[in-house]
Amino acid sequence: GNSVTQMEGPVTLSEEAFLTINCTYTATGYPSLFWYVQYPGEGLQLLLKATKADDKGSNKGFEATYRKETTSFHLEKGSVQVSDSAVYFCALRSGNTGKLIFGQGTTLQVKP
Amino acid sequence: EAGVAQSPRYKIIEKRQSVAFWCNPISGHATLYWYQQILGQGPKLLIQFQNNGVVDDSQLPKDRFSAERLKGVDSTLKIQPAKLEDSAVYLCASSRATSAGGRDEQFFGPGTRLTVL
Repeated sequence: GNSVTQMEGPVTLSEEAFLTINCTYTATGYPSLFWYVQYPGEGLQLLLKATKADDKGSNKGFEATYRKETTSFHLEKGSVQVSDSAVYFCALRSGNTGKLIFGQGTTLQVKP
Repeated sequence: EAGVAQSPRYKIIEKRQSVAFWCNPISGHATLYWYQQILGQGPKLLIQFQNNGVVDDSQLPKDRFSAERLKGVDSTLKIQPAKLEDSAVYLCASSRATSAGGRDEQFFGPGTRLTVL
């Protein structure tokens, strides 16, 4: 079945450090891929998405490229801020419904 | 535009008791989802509604969980009787999608945190 695997957290970085959060997936067909973010006390928010191979999603300085050959969708940011501290979820959508399948989430803590 | 509303935000019950959660989606959104998020895991879809019809409830434990969306707007999710393993955050999401395979963005509510003692 379809599944998403993320790197284990928590990830602790200093402000302005480079961020990578790994995400790999297993899916039949051609899924759409997403990164969601959950700030403390808030609901999940869509951060970025990519709907086909080699697409790059980007938002708020974050980027992720849909790599079909490696079944990956790694999240990157060149310089993190304290305000980026949150839980990040990789997800896929496949098939003929809107159902999202999420990874387990990665907690990011950025220290000043 | 108001977001997805959920209530209550927190609920503590004893095992074998009943509990109900309420969700009000964004106005005009045809599709509504209930997800269960256990601590340390990603959200898992419990049930998807298209207007007031069920699209997918394959992962809903139907012996104890039920959900309805009678008028195609608000929805309630009920657990009866609750078990310890039902402790989780219950997330409601909605999207504009007017067909089951819609590709519209899902907007999430803040969730209801359930603790079963």
